[in-house]
Amino acid sequence: DAGITQSPRYKITETGRQVTLMCHQTWSHSYMFWYRQDLGHGLRLIYYSAAADITDKGEVPDGYVVSRSKTENFPLTLESATRSQTSVYFCASSPTRTSGGTDTQYFGPGTRLTVL
Amino acid sequence: KNEVEQSPQNLTAQEGEFITINCSYSVGISALHWLQQHPGGGIVSLFMLSSGKKKHGRLIATINIQEKHSSLHITASHPRDSAVYICAADYGGSQGNLIFGKGTKLSVKP
Repeated sequence: DAGITQSPRYKITETGRQVTLMCHQTWSHSYMFWYRQDLGHGLRLIYYSAAADITDKGEVPDGYVVSRSKTENFPLTLESATRSQTSVYFCASSPTRTSGGTDTQYFGPGTRLTVL
Repeated sequence: KNEVEQSPQNLTAQEGEFITINCSYSVGISALHWLQQHPGGGIVSLFMLSSGKKKHGRLIATINIQEKHSSLHITASHPRDSAVYICAADYGGSQGNLIFGKGTKLSVKP
């Protein structure tokens, strides 16, 4: 199916475990982003990627690792999950503007992660 | 620090009313985005604008660069418009890093 998908949609894990959230897009967009959404905060950028093999930190990167070996996939790994990482995680993708920079962002459905 | 402020935080309206949601930002931006988050959690981009006004159906977005302010208007509101509306400022740079407001929760009563 065309679009941007995330898996799993819901995940419960325990403190200290490694968790990987998957994001896949079929548009061949250059840019991909990972955000977390918490009550009382707006969406906050964790990591972003401008192209395959190019990633960089956002506002709240600590405790997270990303990779992007293929344009269409952008997995987010919590190396050792903590309770403070309980959140809803959104992946997004965006094409590059012809004038430079990014364009409209298209969001995945989100993954609700609970760390016990 | 680049910030985005939205008002009001919560808004209740009767069906048919004209609705305005406001967004202000702290420094110059390259673009301002308006997003809609459905009650089920999904996020959809409504508008991206860098000047003037854009219209899509009953939704209108405006931006005043000098005043660092944007508004989202909904005409003839309907209960299906009930959602959280989020503005986000693109402060430029190749990465398209958006700074998001905390959202305005709109409830339209029949």
